[in-house]
Amino acid sequence: GEDVEQSLFLSVREGDSSVINCTYTDSSSTYLYWYKQEPGAGLQLLTYIFSNMDMKQDQRLTVLLNKKDKHLSLRIADTQTGDSAIYFCAESPRGSTLGRLYFGRGTQLTVWP
Amino acid sequence: DTEVTQTPKHLVMGMTNKKSLKCEQHMGHRAMYWYKQKAKKPPELMFVYSYEKLSINESVPSRFSPECPNSSLLNLHLHALQPEDSALYLCASSQGFAGQQYFGPGTRLTVT
Repeated sequence: GEDVEQSLFLSVREGDSSVINCTYTDSSSTYLYWYKQEPGAGLQLLTYIFSNMDMKQDQRLTVLLNKKDKHLSLRIADTQTGDSAIYFCAESPRGSTLGRLYFGRGTQLTVWP
Repeated sequence: DTEVTQTPKHLVMGMTNKKSLKCEQHMGHRAMYWYKQKAKKPPELMFVYSYEKLSINESVPSRFSPECPNSSLLNLHLHALQPEDSALYLCASSQGFAGQQYFGPGTRLTVT
């Protein structure tokens, strides 16, 4: 399988920006995704970026992709307590059978009031 | 509408029981997936259906039996499970093979 690495924990104060980082191994990846999972819930697709893009912005979310370093980041501006959750990075390599996703271990984001 | 629904939300079953998990989507997606997720871990792929045909079985034990009655429905039949099978079971769907996967809320399964 593919290796997708994430740091396990991140704590921020409410109102600050959060940056969650991810590294992946397959340079042929077509799409890279960020999913959010709240306690006891399923995975919510937050945003994604196609591999020919460097940046994507969607309201408070900014995704940056550095293909040279195989590094993906998710920035959450003005972080709120409702953003507390586990964030999974996932890649879908080119040629991957049927859109197989390779997930990182997830980053637990804790937002303090 | 990007909703995938799953029932039941919670399920407790004994090791000799037979039960089924259900998943439904009305987005016209042609690929559907079952994942198993243990606490504090990422989802693990179990099965993939493409155009109602089983395309991937990730060496899942036969006590898990998937079924895709039509393009909107996906079932997972459970029989003679073990306590270690207790987990959150997630269903997902996607338009195509490289498309975004949308997940349901999951079924929390406890095997006693």
